[in-house]
Amino acid sequence: DGGITQSPKYLFRKEGQNVTLSCEQNLNHDAMYWYRQDPGQGLRLIYYSQIVNDFQKGDIAEGYSVSREKKESFPLTVTSAQKNPTAFYLCASSRAGASYEQYFGPGTRLTVT
Amino acid sequence: AQKVTQAQTEISVVEKEDVTLDCVYETRDTTYYLFWYKQPPSGELVFLIRRNSFDEQNEISGRYSWNFQKSTSSFNFTITASQVVDSAVYFCALSEANTGNQFYFGTGTSLTVIP
Repeated sequence: DGGITQSPKYLFRKEGQNVTLSCEQNLNHDAMYWYRQDPGQGLRLIYYSQIVNDFQKGDIAEGYSVSREKKESFPLTVTSAQKNPTAFYLCASSRAGASYEQYFGPGTRLTVT
Repeated sequence: AQKVTQAQTEISVVEKEDVTLDCVYETRDTTYYLFWYKQPPSGELVFLIRRNSFDEQNEISGRYSWNFQKSTSSFNFTITASQVVDSAVYFCALSEANTGNQFYFGTGTSLTVIP
């Protein structure tokens, strides 16, 4: 089945550790995105990529890093520089262009203590 | 400034009631796209509908309908005869031709349908 997979669903880390969240899609989409969702809030864009080996910062990129070495994969690293990393992280993909809807993965809930 | 406003934070209705979720947007682009997504308790966002700025026709899909009015910059979503399975958080989003793939999401409306 075509879709987006994110793993793991729940992730626990100690403060000061970097952690990488996985996102894979088999929809042959050019564009991929990472969003952060906090309780009672909407989705905030962290990074997005419209093509392999290229990505742009979103509204809240500080403390995060990404790579896009393959079309299917867009991993997100939450670094120790991110001051408040505990959140729900959603990955999405779409065809290139503003008119196309984004399809979302199931999300990863990260808890840092 | 917020490009997409969903003023209703939480709504509760009794099963079989109709409910309308409001969405107001702001853009200077003449070409833009509006979307609605549903986020059930599982967390994954599910795409519901897309409209472009040149098509103001209302759309109906089963119990769901959407009212797009450019004059008031609104794209409201109505659920007719609500069911418990409709309980979720609903997000409205905007994308603009001039900013490419970037979406602007509202803060969401949490709908609870009481049996």
